[in-house]
Amino acid sequence: AQKVTQAQTEISVVEKEDVTLDCVYETRDTTYYLFWYKQPPSGELVFLIRRNSFDEQNEISGRYSWNFQKSTSSFNFTITASQVVDSAVYFCALSETGFQKLVFGTGTRLLVSP
Amino acid sequence: DTGVSQNPRHKITKRGQNVTFRCDPISEHNRLYWYRQTLGQGPEFLTYFQNEAQLEKSRLLSDRFSAERPKGSFSTLEIQRTEQGDSAMYLCASSFPQAPINPGELFFGEGSRLTVL
Repeated sequence: AQKVTQAQTEISVVEKEDVTLDCVYETRDTTYYLFWYKQPPSGELVFLIRRNSFDEQNEISGRYSWNFQKSTSSFNFTITASQVVDSAVYFCALSETGFQKLVFGTGTRLLVSP
Repeated sequence: DTGVSQNPRHKITKRGQNVTFRCDPISEHNRLYWYRQTLGQGPEFLTYFQNEAQLEKSRLLSDRFSAERPKGSFSTLEIQRTEQGDSAMYLCASSFPQAPINPGELFFGEGSRLTVL
């Protein structure tokens, strides 16, 4: 069965600090995709990043970066130089072969104070 | 606004009543999803359509729930004989066909919040 675990319930940081959100996943498939979505107070989930299971190369996109390690089934997400507008709930999600649906974790609430 | 639109945004109803939510996806998207999100939890998959065909339903979707997507455009989610446990945010999302084009990149609406008294 597929499962996504986000152990951090809430993280509070001060603006300009770097923050890393942890995600651990379980799947029996060899082909899958991992995602991070952001849910601001408005409620609308916004796609941030995607990584497929065959590509463990870590990347940086602006202030976002991610660390994908198949050996530990982890897909951590880092925001560099956090801003107040980054305050939201962040969800890690998994999609298996066929990509019919996403399985989400329980989310990590990020509070960035000025 | 060309995003995913959901109506109504909020619905308060008494237990036992029927409610219906509507979702208008992004026009060029042929896949449409329904998710349910309760407080403090991540979204849980309910069902999805490709065009007008409902291709998968979660076990969470009891026989009191029915979703339709006539003509492959907008979709409705109806809950009959509502129960207090149905109180949640109902999220709709749409997407292009999957791989290789943006697999898993779903575009979500702002949700319809249901409160059952």
